[in-house]
Amino acid sequence: LAKTTQPISMDSYEGQEVNITCSHNNIATNDYITWYQQFPSQGPRFIIQGYKTKVTNEVASLFIPADRKSSTLSLPRVSLSDTAVYYCLVVTGSSGNTGKLIFGQGTTLQVKP
Amino acid sequence: KAGVTQTPRYLIKTRGQQVTLSCSPISGHRSVSWYQQTPGQGLQFLFEYFSETQRNKGNFPGRFSGRQFSNSRSEMNVSTLELGDSALYLCASSWGTGDYSPLHFGNGTRLTVT
Repeated sequence: LAKTTQPISMDSYEGQEVNITCSHNNIATNDYITWYQQFPSQGPRFIIQGYKTKVTNEVASLFIPADRKSSTLSLPRVSLSDTAVYYCLVVTGSSGNTGKLIFGQGTTLQVKP
Repeated sequence: KAGVTQTPRYLIKTRGQQVTLSCSPISGHRSVSWYQQTPGQGLQFLFEYFSETQRNKGNFPGRFSGRQFSNSRSEMNVSTLELGDSALYLCASSWGTGDYSPLHFGNGTRLTVT
């Protein structure tokens, strides 16, 4: 499973766009990039998943360059409720992903008023 | 559709006792995995079950065990509890195994060992 590296913490202000970058240099051809969000005393929540280029849903966008060695989670106009830990994971399909996901330390995002 | 349900929400046990935690997955999900979360070690994979069979296991001692029933509900058991077993235990379910389907987590059972 590919190892990921992301900043330990980030600060932002309400209304700003936040970009969290994750590096995954040894990502394999059939790996996907997935992001989860976790609030204190709750389980992680799936945010977005992508393979290449750009993926957008109602809460976030995910940008993946052509070499796929990094990815950027973009949260538009954050609010105080977006204060959470964000995890970047590389998910291997077929025989690889059997529910065994490796969560790193994640990025603690603090949104200030 | 109901989410992943874990019971109990909180649990206090004494060192040396054993404990059983329960997890009800989202309807239709056949894969259930368990994670332990502590401030020092973060989220660590315990094991995964699919169709009542253990598919993968993390690096935890044999005191940690689990099982899955025919309705996909799962239980995990920890015997001879140690102080270091105090943690948030999270259960997650997904449609299948060996695919890219995202995990849906419950809110966990907070276990305190005294």
